[in-house]
Amino acid sequence: GALVYQYPRRTICKSGTSMRMECQAVGFQATSVAWYRQSPQKTFELIALSTVNSAIKYEQNFTQEKFPISHPNLSFSSMTVLNAYLEDRGLYLCGASQQFSNERLFFGHGTKLSVL
Amino acid sequence: GEQVEQRPPHLSVREGDSAVITCTYTDPNSYYFFWYKQEPGASLQLLMKVFSSTEINEGQGFTVLLNKKDKRLSLNLTAAHPGDSAAYFCAVSANGNEKITFGAGTKLTIKP
Repeated sequence: GALVYQYPRRTICKSGTSMRMECQAVGFQATSVAWYRQSPQKTFELIALSTVNSAIKYEQNFTQEKFPISHPNLSFSSMTVLNAYLEDRGLYLCGASQQFSNERLFFGHGTKLSVL
Repeated sequence: GEQVEQRPPHLSVREGDSAVITCTYTDPNSYYFFWYKQEPGASLQLLMKVFSSTEINEGQGFTVLLNKKDKRLSLNLTAAHPGDSAAYFCAVSANGNEKITFGAGTKLTIKP
């Protein structure tokens, strides 16, 4: 079956430092990967949508300078939170999909980021 | 862009009663609709995916209704049990595979 492994599951970083999270797609080709953030007590906001061999599209309020994303092949994507501060806390979720398919987005388990 | 409004933000029902959560959306081109369940500290669990062509979908212990005319999507849990206590999110997409827009969520509590 199709699965998305996301790691780490939880991480704590000091204010001003950076942390990287990764997603691995298994059983399908992750042509598109969407990264979401759920801040405490809030819903899921789309950070950016990455499609292999295309430019990464960032949503308003999110930038490449703050959340650089790598999507080098059809099974892997990573995102870094640079200079993390308190407002970056939350659950980060990657969702991968195979394009031109009616398959749903396959979500990873999420990376819970705490900032001290 | 798409806007999704979800109501109510909090819902408390007794065990065995039904619970209804509703979302309205704005984009008439929306075609794929999702309901997710998020238990405390956990990630999203897909409950059901609904296509625009199907208006009623039944799962285990719940029914999803889609009213395209009113742009309204609802999740109806029948005979709620303690395991249903969680946050529920609707999500809407025009193409089903890429950008999906989430509702604000409903925190459902089942009282004994």
